[in-house]
Amino acid sequence: EAGVAQSPRYKIIEKRQSVAFWCNPISGHATLYWYQQILGQGPKLLIQFQNNGVVDDSQLPKDRFSAERLKGVDSTLKIQPAKLEDSAVYLCASSLVPGGRGDQPQHFGDGTRLSIL
Amino acid sequence: AQSVSQHNHHVILSEAASLELGCNYSYGGTVNLFWYVQYPGQHLQLLLKYFSGDPLVKGIKGFEAEFIKSKFSFNLRKPSVQWSDTAEYFCAVNARDSWGKLQFGAGTQVVVTP
Repeated sequence: EAGVAQSPRYKIIEKRQSVAFWCNPISGHATLYWYQQILGQGPKLLIQFQNNGVVDDSQLPKDRFSAERLKGVDSTLKIQPAKLEDSAVYLCASSLVPGGRGDQPQHFGDGTRLSIL
Repeated sequence: AQSVSQHNHHVILSEAASLELGCNYSYGGTVNLFWYVQYPGQHLQLLLKYFSGDPLVKGIKGFEAEFIKSKFSFNLRKPSVQWSDTAEYFCAVNARDSWGKLQFGAGTQVVVTP
């Protein structure tokens, strides 16, 4: 099966600029996740969608980050304006609907490495 | 709040040596446990998982992990590593009622020398 697709692979911008990342999950996966991975740390969940609804966005800095999944398939994560501390790898993952047991493994994309100058 | 702690940030060992990576979590309820691996230049991929049943689980490439509930631990083991096991290893946990929300440890970078 085709994996989770993300683009771009790399992005360099200056602080206060805006940037957007795109993710296309594995076909049939209703649940989509965006993670932020700062160098030396594990991935941290930013937002979780189930179809086109938000399940959890408690760790999303909503003053500058936004995400959408309008048709319940692909998704876009945006940062506006970017800060130096946003330099990280942004990972997208998808899974079958985990249900209340949370027992569906997540499949990850290659990520987008964002550098803020 | 839920947290995951991995004991070592970097491990260097020779081929054929045994590997054990520690993982402890803090959460009072029922959890699902995972180990993910990221090989150089590749995406994160699932190594093994524990949901219920036998606390000793086997994964791909000869890896296994043991869930010890009383110790809140889920340590990863491999009896004899190969150079191709060089990678970063992440322990992750989610609560049964969390709808899949994963909490990751900081990761352990493992380097296997020929």
